[in-house]
This record gives sequence, C-alpha cells and structure tokens, in this order.
Amino acid sequence: NAGVTQTPKFQVLKTGQSMTLQCAQDMNHEYMSWYRQDPGMGLRLIHYSVGAGITDQGEVPNGYNVSRSTTEDFPLRLLSAAPSQTSVYFCASSYGTGTGVYEQYFGPGTRLTVT
Amino acid sequence: QQQVKQSPQSLIVQKGGISIINCAYENTAFDYFPWYQQFPGKGPALLIAIRPDVSEKKEGRFTISFNKSAKQFSLHIMDSQPGDSATYFCAAASGAGNKLTFGGGTRVLVKP
Repeated sequence: NAGVTQTPKFQVLKTGQSMTLQCAQDMNHEYMSWYRQDPGMGLRLIHYSVGAGITDQGEVPNGYNVSRSTTEDFPLRLLSAAPSQTSVYFCASSYGTGTGVYEQYFGPGTRLTVT
Repeated sequence: QQQVKQSPQSLIVQKGGISIINCAYENTAFDYFPWYQQFPGKGPALLIAIRPDVSEKKEGRFTISFNKSAKQFSLHIMDSQPGDSATYFCAAASGAGNKLTFGGGTRVLVKP
C-alpha cells in the first residue's frame, strides 16, 4: 500500500492564481481531511469528508473548496491564492466515523508559497 | 485562541535524559488525546494516545500522563536518543478522533 499520497510536493503561486492540491489514499478509508501547518500554530483543520459525496468545514475553511467524488481521492482547491495561504498542507485519512477511535494517517505534505 | 496549548516550544536534552512536553486543553468534550511525532519533510505520525479513563499509558520509552481535573496531559520520553530529535505535537478530539485539535508543537533536539 502506498498509504496517503499528495501531489505536488512543492508549489509556488502568484496572488490570485488558482490550483488544486491532490490527495489520494489506497486504504479504503472513509474519513479524509485537510490540515494546514504554520509555525507555532500546529496543524489546523481546513475541510473534512466522512465519505464519498459528503464534505464539511473545519476550523479554517475560508478560501478553500473540496469535493469527494470517490473514496480514494480528496482534492483541495485554492480559488484565488493569497499570501496568507502560504503554508504546508497535509492530507490525512482514517478508517471510519463510528464508535471507537481511528488512527489518522498523514500524507507527506505539500509546501505552498504564494507571492 | 488555541484550544490546546503546548509547552515548551523547543527543548534540548542530552542523550539518555528525559524529555517532558506539556499540554493543556479547554474543551471538556475532548476524550481522545494523541501525540504525534514529525520528522523534517514528513507528515506527522501517531506516537501514542490516551483516553481519559486512565491516568497513564506507557509504550516503550514513551509515557503519557493525564490529569483530567486539571485538563492537562504530558509526554515523557525516557532515555532520549538522537533519533528522537523531531517535532512533537499533542492533540485532542472527541468521538472517533477524526477532527483533531493540535497544540503548537515542540521541537526536541537530543544531543549525543
């Protein structure tokens, strides 16, 4: 299993440009999420999905869109990039949302710089 | 306002020493408290986790201590090794533990 994969690893955008960060998992996980990591802030939840066709907002959703058409893929779209979106983005997945606790598996991250 | 506060931001420990990282939380609905380890250029990986029905959990050289009344929990790394040099994040969640709230992170450097 490849686990959680993210592309690209690095990206530089100009203010106002749009782009999509790709995330895929091959573990048949129901739950997927996107976090951003900023110095001193830890990781903050942007959007999450509990299954194909179902998404919801996290702590910092403004400026980002998501969709979940398949179990495997969960892309994150930046509609009009701003310097405040300069960050490292992590995708994560886990088995489910029922009773019990499910370990989150994180991808390797995408480092995004907006100039 | 961060719901999970972590300290210190960084620490240096000699090989064989003990590293201690502390976290405090506000939301009493949190019932799952994991610690993640992150190496440079990598994503976080689950290290150890605890539920509030126990006050301590140990896995190898890593121990979580949990104080429900004080709303605090800590990570102890015993016999610290240079390979433990990484950034450590505490986190908290409720329910299935999917929506994690992270602390700000602690960069640990273990000197040989």
